Amino acid sequence: AQSVTQLGSHVSVSEGALVLLRCNYSSSVPPYLFWYVQYPNQGLQLLLKYTTGATLVKGINGFEAEFKKSETSFHLTKPSAHMSDAAEYFCAVSPSSGGSYIPTFGRGTSLIVHP
Amino acid sequence: DTGVSQNPRHKITKRGQNVTFRCDPISEHNRLYWYRQTLGQGPEFLTYFQNEAQLEKSRLLSDRFSAERPKGSFSTLEIQRTEQGDSAMYLCASSLGASGRPNTDTQYFGPGTRLTVL
Repeated sequence: AQSVTQLGSHVSVSEGALVLLRCNYSSSVPPYLFWYVQYPNQGLQLLLKYTTGATLVKGINGFEAEFKKSETSFHLTKPSAHMSDAAEYFCAVSPSSGGSYIPTFGRGTSLIVHP
Repeated sequence: DTGVSQNPRHKITKRGQNVTFRCDPISEHNRLYWYRQTLGQGPEFLTYFQNEAQLEKSRLLSDRFSAERPKGSFSTLEIQRTEQGDSAMYLCASSLGASGRPNTDTQYFGPGTRLTVL
């Protein structure tokens, strides 16, 4: 069975500061990994995903994430936070082997950006 | 590309009533997904369709839940004999998938239907 843990239900940063949102997974085989953002009253939007290849993945809006197999992590970063980055962020995994497709989402981290 | 739309956006019902939600995916997308999201939680997978075929269902999808995608375009999710525990946001997503499984697809989500069961 796979699972996702997002450390910190809320993360607060100042505008211009580094954003770091943590995601760890548990899976018998390294899964495919995703980060989504959800703005109020809107649907989830894919920020980036890791399937194969380079472990540092660049996404939209200046975000990037690095897959670290040894740490079973896929943390999301952005060098400089903007006020518009304030939203809910979800890490998700889907199986990379076996016949099933059932994705698992983390509980989400709310990013608060202070002026 | 008008995005994924869901109707209604809000539904309030009394316990024991049946409700039906509709999802219109992005027009050329062959895959469609339903999720449930409760307050403070991430989305939980319910089921997905490839064209009109329902290929996977979560254990969360009890006998009171049924989903259809009769012509491979829009989909409906019906909940019979609603319970207070069914109160949640129901999300629909779609994707265009070329390979055999949707595990790497980029999914596009609708805004959701918020269900409140009194």
